[in-house]
Amino acid sequence: QVQLQESGPGLVKPSQTLSLTCTVSGGSISSGDYYWSWIRQPPGKGLEWIGYIYYSGSTYYNPSLKSRVTISVDTSKNQFSLKLSSVTAADTAVYYCARVADYGDLYYFDYWGQGTLVTVSS
Amino acid sequence: DIQMTQSPSSLSASVGDRVTITCRASQSISSYLNWYQQKPGKAPKLLIYAASSLQSGVPSRFSGSGSGTDFTLTISSLQPEDFATYYCQQSYSTPPIFTFGPGTKVDIK
Repeated sequence: QVQLQESGPGLVKPSQTLSLTCTVSGGSISSGDYYWSWIRQPPGKGLEWIGYIYYSGSTYYNPSLKSRVTISVDTSKNQFSLKLSSVTAADTAVYYCARVADYGDLYYFDYWGQGTLVTVSS
Repeated sequence: DIQMTQSPSSLSASVGDRVTITCRASQSISSYLNWYQQKPGKAPKLLIYAASSLQSGVPSRFSGSGSGTDFTLTISSLQPEDFATYYCQQSYSTPPIFTFGPGTKVDIK
């Protein structure tokens, strides 16, 4: 059974960089069968996809966040990470990591981490 | 960019009711549509992928239909554990870009 677990600071100051890591267990990121993604949800609001990475390091980001987002992978630790720069209060959200599976050319999020709340405040 | 809308934004229903939620895409997305259920304080859970395929382990009272721009999630007989928020999500592009609908909250009448 695949499990994902987010970790990182729960409080970030405005203008600083938010950094989170997702540790995957029960499966290998290096298998090449999946993409690995970050998604966020502001309190009381809907879901916003941030971006994804393949084990090889290739990435794709939400155009609305692209200028501030970096997703990286460490296959030796079976982890992938998110950095979001120049944060403001609008970046306060629960951040989820998730596995992206495919069904032909259709992609969906089949396993999710429990989520971690990151608050941007001085 | 493909925009997703859902209707209604919320509904009240009773146990045993048949519930239908609609999702509409701003352009045709073929069957590239997935549905998720989210309970308070929990991560979303995949229910339906490819518009009508039931994810393993999901009860058969959940079903999905549609293609093109209009899609439906149906719960045939609402159970107490089904009170939650439901999101549709599209991934119609290569490489995939993911967009979620705004959600439909199902609560107890």
